Amino acid sequence: DAGITQSPRHKVTETGTPVTLRCHQTENHRYMYWYRQDPGHGLRLIHYSYGVKDTDKGEVSDGYSVSRSKTEDFLLTLESATSSQTSVYFCAISEAGRGYMELFFGSGTQLSVL
Amino acid sequence: DAKTTQPTSMDCAEGRAANLPCNHSTISGNEYVYWYRQIHSQGPQYIIHGLKNNETNEMASLIITEDRKSSTLILPHATLRDTAVYYCIVTNAGGTSYGKLTFGQGTILTVHP
Repeated sequence: DAGITQSPRHKVTETGTPVTLRCHQTENHRYMYWYRQDPGHGLRLIHYSYGVKDTDKGEVSDGYSVSRSKTEDFLLTLESATSSQTSVYFCAISEAGRGYMELFFGSGTQLSVL
Repeated sequence: DAKTTQPTSMDCAEGRAANLPCNHSTISGNEYVYWYRQIHSQGPQYIIHGLKNNETNEMASLIITEDRKSSTLILPHATLRDTAVYYCIVTNAGGTSYGKLTFGQGTILTVHP
């Protein structure tokens, strides 16, 4: 399995508090992604990174920010968590090249905002 | 990216071939067909992809019609562990796509004994 570690695996927090989810990879892949998965919506891209300090918005970026100061780490921050951000968050990585749409996903973080 | 249409659910007997269809009638010439699956509570897993030729790997085969408007993922000998949601995704693998995959609702495949 690709070396992707998401932390924490589960988190319960209160509305209005800041939350940071971490994705760590040991594959030295260039691209990293944050997706969220909700019933009835499937997986939706939040933000992605195409290199250190290079990030861009995805489909559902409002309320989220990201940072990537090192190749191996991609952080997702909810500045002020809301109940609508209760979801399962997946990190993914891929490498550039002919088959770079081969994303490798982490095990997910279950976030509950009360 | 082209839109895809998949059946909501399918059943398959263990040991038999599972054939999962996908329609992508608006696919353009530079778009690939990708298949992923997601076993309950896990992250999605890449299965296979193709452009216009049929492809086979250790997990599955991908058959793309000559006009590229539809494809079929074949799991040759389905096992109980193949029970999952299967996603068909059509995307431009170059340019600014950067791996921004669009996951639809997929097909829930249930393999029964």
